[in-house]
Amino acid sequence: DVKVTQSSRYLVKRTGEKVFLECVQDMDHENMFWYRQDPGLGLRLIYFSYDVKMKEKGDIPEGYSVSREKKERFSLILESASTNQTSMYLCASSPRRQPQHFGDGTRLSIL
Amino acid sequence: SQKIEQNSEALNIQEGKTATLTCNYTNYSPAYLQWYRQDPGRGPVFLLLIRENEKEKRKERLKVTFDTTLKQSLFHITASQPADSATYLCALDMTAGNNRKLIWGLGTSLAVNP
Repeated sequence: DVKVTQSSRYLVKRTGEKVFLECVQDMDHENMFWYRQDPGLGLRLIYFSYDVKMKEKGDIPEGYSVSREKKERFSLILESASTNQTSMYLCASSPRRQPQHFGDGTRLSIL
Repeated sequence: SQKIEQNSEALNIQEGKTATLTCNYTNYSPAYLQWYRQDPGRGPVFLLLIRENEKEKRKERLKVTFDTTLKQSLFHITASQPADSATYLCALDMTAGNNRKLIWGLGTSLAVNP
């Protein structure tokens, strides 16, 4: 079974902090994704990567950056956390043109 | 731009009945349409994928249809069980080249009552 592991289930940070969310997949998938999910807004794509060191902006990249130095790991960085970035963050991976496999999410609160 | 609509109201049905969930989209048809299940506090889990040239796909008690004329997909769960209670998301695969793009619906909450 594919496993996508997110480093934390719950995280509380302060405004202005630099926040790192880590995601690791164990199935050698080319594609990896970061989403945030908010009530009434659904899943929104922040960034995705289709190869090591490659990244593409999604629909809401502002305030975020990503890093993919190794194929199995995709990191999301909040450069200077703000309260409007409080959300559920979901990481996913997939082979090319195949359905996505999700982690269980990180519920991030910015105080 | 492409938009998706799923039943916004929660669906409550009795155990053993068939649940039918709707996914409507605007504009052009995607190459693929996917259905996922999401439980509270968990990530979505892939259930079924249907291609634009397929009318119907089945997996155990699940059935998906895809009507590109109506711009609609229906998701059926037959002989429903309380364990089927969850939120169900549809997603249109609008991938072009390396631009990997799924457009997600907001989901329909299903409650199956014993």
